[in-house]
Amino acid sequence: NAGVTQTPKFRILKIGQSMTLQCTQDMNHNYMYWYRQDPGMGLKLIYYSVGAGITDKGEVPNGYNVSRSTTEDFPLRLELAAPSQTSVYFCASRTGGQGYNSPLHFGNGTRLTVT
Amino acid sequence: QQQVKQSPQSLIVQKGGIPIINCAYENTAFDYFPWYQQFPGKGPALLIAIRPDVSEKKEGRFTISFNKSAKQFSLHIMDSQPGDSATYFCAASNQGGSEKLVFGKGTKLTVNP
Repeated sequence: NAGVTQTPKFRILKIGQSMTLQCTQDMNHNYMYWYRQDPGMGLKLIYYSVGAGITDKGEVPNGYNVSRSTTEDFPLRLELAAPSQTSVYFCASRTGGQGYNSPLHFGNGTRLTVT
Repeated sequence: QQQVKQSPQSLIVQKGGIPIINCAYENTAFDYFPWYQQFPGKGPALLIAIRPDVSEKKEGRFTISFNKSAKQFSLHIMDSQPGDSATYFCAASNQGGSEKLVFGKGTKLTVNP
């Protein structure tokens, strides 16, 4: 199993450009999440999905969009990139149900710089 | 509003020392408290987790202590090794409610040889 795979690993965007961060998992997990990690700020939830066709906002959804057309894929779309979106983005997945029996599995992140 | 407060922000110990990382929470509905370990360039990975029906849990050299009345929990690393150098995040969630796991801000641990 590859687990959770994120692409690209690094990206530099100009202000106003848009891009899609890709996330795919091969563990047949129902639940998927997008977090951003800023230095000294921990992990903030952007969006999450409890299954194909179902998405919901997290703590910091502004400036982002998601879709979940398949169980495996959960892309994150940035429209009109801003410097405040410079961050490391992590995708995660879990089977579902109670978290004690269903820990998060993270990808290795996408480091995004907006200049 | 930060729901899980983690301290210290950074910690340096010598090999063999016992680093302690502390977390405090506010929401009494939280009933699941995991710790994640993150190495540079990697995503976080679950290290150990506890539920509030026990006061302590050990897995190898890692121990979580939980104080429900004080709404605090901590991670202890016995006989720390340079390979334990990483960033550690505490987290909390309400299993019966939201799907959202709330993370602390992280502690960067350095274990010197």
